[in-house]
Amino acid sequence: QQQVKQSPQSLIVQKGGISIINCAYENTAFDYFPWYQQFPGKGPALLIAIRPDVSEKKEGRFTISFNKSAKQFSLHIMDSQPGDSATYFCAAVMEYGNKLVFGAGTILRVKS
Amino acid sequence: KAGVTQTPRYLIKTRGQQVTLSCSPISGHRSVSWYQQTPGQGLQFLFEYFSETQRNKGNFPGRFSGRQFSNSRSEMNVSTLELGDSALYLCASSYLAGDNTGELFFGEGSRLTVL
Repeated sequence: QQQVKQSPQSLIVQKGGISIINCAYENTAFDYFPWYQQFPGKGPALLIAIRPDVSEKKEGRFTISFNKSAKQFSLHIMDSQPGDSATYFCAAVMEYGNKLVFGAGTILRVKS
Repeated sequence: KAGVTQTPRYLIKTRGQQVTLSCSPISGHRSVSWYQQTPGQGLQFLFEYFSETQRNKGNFPGRFSGRQFSNSRSEMNVSTLELGDSALYLCASSYLAGDNTGELFFGEGSRLTVL
C-alpha cells in the first residue's frame, strides 16, 4: 500500500513531441503528489505538484493530470526539448510529514 | 541563497567500517530528510528530523542512524557497512514542517562505495 508504481521505465521522444509518464498508487492516505526531475550528478528538483482535490495543474510546458477515483496521475511534457532529457520521479506524501514515497523513475530522452 | 550542502561528495569504505555523512540545509529550513538512492531500489526514505527530533523513520535497519543539531545541520551514520549500502545518499531540507507540502530541496548527494 506504500508503493507508487511508475511507467514507463524509459521513454524516447522526438523534439517537439509530448512526453507522458504515468503513476498509480494504492494508499488513499496520500494527499500530495509532487514530480521531481533529476539530471545526472545532481539531486532531484521539484518540478510540479498537485493535491487530489484538483484534476489538473499546468505550469508552462508541464501538466499534471490527476484521477482520484482511479488513483492515478500523470505528467505531460508538451513541446519536449533536448534539455528535458532527465530522470523523472513521481512521488506521494501522506499528511503531516516529509516522507516521500517515490516511483521507480522514468528516464526521458528527447531526440533533436 | 545557498542550496543544500552535503559532504563528503564521494567516499570509499570497506565492509565493517562505519561512515558519517553531513548535511547543511538551506538557511531557515528546519526539516532535514535523508534518502538512499540505488539503481535497484530507487529512492527510499531513511528518516526526517525537525528541531533535533526524529519525526519519521523509514524501513532501514538500526545500523542507519541520524541526528540533527540546533543549527538544523544534520548527520547520518551507517555502522558495520555492507556491500549493499553502496548508494547515493541524498539530504533534503524543507522550510515548512508540520505542514505537508512535499516541497523538498535536495542536495547533490554523497556517493558511498563499499568494497
